[in-house]
Amino acid sequence: ETGVTQTPRHLVMGMTNKKSLKCEQHLGHNAMYWYKQSAKKPLELMFVYNFKEQTENNSVPSRFSPECPNSSHLFLHLHTLQPEDSALYLCASSQDSGTGGKYEQYFGPGTRLTVT
Amino acid sequence: GEDVEQSLFLSVREGDSSVINCTYTDSSSTYLYWYKQEPGAGLQLLTYIFSNMDMKQDQRLTVLLNKKDKHLSLRIADTQTGDSAIYFCAERRNTGNQFYFGTGTSLTVIP
Repeated sequence: ETGVTQTPRHLVMGMTNKKSLKCEQHLGHNAMYWYKQSAKKPLELMFVYNFKEQTENNSVPSRFSPECPNSSHLFLHLHTLQPEDSALYLCASSQDSGTGGKYEQYFGPGTRLTVT
Repeated sequence: GEDVEQSLFLSVREGDSSVINCTYTDSSSTYLYWYKQEPGAGLQLLTYIFSNMDMKQDQRLTVLLNKKDKHLSLRIADTQTGDSAIYFCAERRNTGNQFYFGTGTSLTVIP
């Protein structure tokens, strides 16, 4: 148990559906991240929030929409996804995303998303 | 290149040593990390090394860093079946303060 929880753990959705992934961290961290994990590919950073402000958006398609209402909660809203979006979506948090320090990240267990 | 590179698969016999290799991309990266991912779970930090070190040992784990070649390795001594997992190398670059991960190396320990 890392202190980062994600729901749901598994999600199957059609291409026309709208769904949301939720992440919650109980570690008092200031930064939260969304990653996409696909087989045989490097882990892809999608979004970074630091003190609730989005600081990074790595050219992610607009069908993925993040929301960070406070420093403990992070959402990923999904709509009109494609089959190639099927992957494991991981949430992580760290003390800060700024410079200096080791700033290790703590990961949640992930949401396994299948787009049909 | 732009990617952190790792071999995809490694198999070792129980009791042998495992060596997982990684090539990273940014010589100015300050911290380099090894994470472990067990089935159905997220990534868990195993160890990290600061860029001014060339070796770090923590019980059965030894991390070696060659800054000149931008090469990082993780040695697991006396590998056990419970070490079977995916191991990710990651670098924390100074530019943009982002973490960059490799593909992960799937380690299989044969009893």
